[in-house]
Amino acid sequence: AQKVTQAQTEISVVEKEDVTLDCVYETRDTTYYLFWYKQPPSGELVFLIRRNSFDEQNEISGRYSWNFQKSTSSFNFTITASQVVDSAVYFCALSEAPGNQFYFGTGTSLTVIP
Amino acid sequence: ETGVTQSPTHLIKTRGQQVTLRCSSQSGHNTVSWYQQALGQGPQFIFQYYREEENGRGNFPPRFSGLQFPNYSSELNVNALELDDSALYLCASSLQQGSGYEQYFGPGTRLTVT
Repeated sequence: AQKVTQAQTEISVVEKEDVTLDCVYETRDTTYYLFWYKQPPSGELVFLIRRNSFDEQNEISGRYSWNFQKSTSSFNFTITASQVVDSAVYFCALSEAPGNQFYFGTGTSLTVIP
Repeated sequence: ETGVTQSPTHLIKTRGQQVTLRCSSQSGHNTVSWYQQALGQGPQFIFQYYREEENGRGNFPPRFSGLQFPNYSSELNVNALELDDSALYLCASSLQQGSGYEQYFGPGTRLTVT
C-alpha cells in the first residue's frame, strides 16, 4: 500500500492566489517524520520542512505554511500569494523510526500562471 | 544549493551494459542515500550507506550495488542494465543515519538505457 498519497497530480493557479497541496500518509509507527520537498525543472529536490509525529503545531515560514493533523493523517502545505517561481513539483515524504528510508508521494505539479 | 554533487549529469547506455554513478556528500554529512526517480513518479529508495556500509535497502535487485568511501562520497553501480533502469538517479546526504534527519539532494544523473 502507498504510504504517502498526493491525490492532486497537477494544479494551476493564477499568480497571487493561495494554493494548498494535500498529503495523506499511512503508518503504524508512533514515531515518524514528515517532509516536504520542492523539485524545480532543474531536477534537484529542495528541502522545505521536517515535522516529527509528536509536534502537531502548524508552522509558517514566509508565504509557506504547513498544517499537520494526526487525526486525519494529513500534512498539507499552503502557499499564500503564489508567485511564478513557485512553479515546481512538490513532494511529501514519510520516514519511519526505526528506519532510514524516505517514502515519497507521487508529487503534485504546481503551475503558477502570471 | 545543497553542496551535494553528482556525476555525470547525463548518461546513455545500452541494455546489458554496466554503469557507475558518483556522488559527493555535503560537508560534514556521513550518510548517503540513493534514489531512483522514474518520469512522473516520486523518488524510490534504493539503499543507504553509513560509515562505508550498506545501512538499509529498498526493493531493488542485487544488480544495484554501491560503495561509500572514507570521505563519505559514494558510488552507485548498476549491472546488466535494462530499459526500465532509465530514470533520474538522485543522491542525498544527511548529517546522520536515522529517520529524523532531513536529506539533502544532489542534482541527479539522468540515465537513458537504449
